[in-house]
Amino acid sequence: GQQVMQIPQYQHVQEGEDFTTYCNSSTTLSNIQWYKQRPGGHPVFLIQLVKSGEVKKQKRLTFQFGEAKKNSSLHITATQTTDVGTYFCADLSSGSARQLTFGSGTQLTVLP
Amino acid sequence: DSGVTQTPKHLITATGQRVTLRCSPRSGDLSVYWYQQSLDQGLQFLIQYYNGEERAKGNILERFSAQQFPDLHSELNLSSLELGDSALYFCASSVFTGSNTQYFGPGTRLTVL
Repeated sequence: GQQVMQIPQYQHVQEGEDFTTYCNSSTTLSNIQWYKQRPGGHPVFLIQLVKSGEVKKQKRLTFQFGEAKKNSSLHITATQTTDVGTYFCADLSSGSARQLTFGSGTQLTVLP
Repeated sequence: DSGVTQTPKHLITATGQRVTLRCSPRSGDLSVYWYQQSLDQGLQFLIQYYNGEERAKGNILERFSAQQFPDLHSELNLSSLELGDSALYFCASSVFTGSNTQYFGPGTRLTVL
């Protein structure tokens, strides 16, 4: 079935530094969603990308969908301690059954 | 708070036992999804129900089953439990089966000893 790879697995940054996590698939992704899971919490929907080459911004977060729809990235500018958590990409299958296939996640630690 | 509730929060049981996890979707949501999160397997889709009917199956073991009731709450039944079933089980809901946004509940942490 569909496999979504995500790197890096862990990232430690100093507060104020930038952070990027990458999501890759060997097959075309239908729609990419990004989620954030705080330590001890549950996944929270951040955004969905649908179109090839799409770029969306949410304040300090920039999300990109690759031209071939086989990769995506999340970039955080000037990280803050509130950014701590695990960031997951997920492929949302097309069709009536909207099944999410999650990447392995990137665990972000922000050092003050 | 996503509006999705799950009970219990924590569950500790022994191998070979059977447990039931319960989920109440957000008000108005007809679709319920179950996910398992473990250290080695990550977040995996198990099963989806829409308005009482099964819509999609993922990597759900035969020892596991689920149902969605007329009031739209859902239960996930796990039987003949093994140590490897220890995980966080999340329920998510969406307005309808074609909806793009799923709202996750707080999860049930299952520990099998």
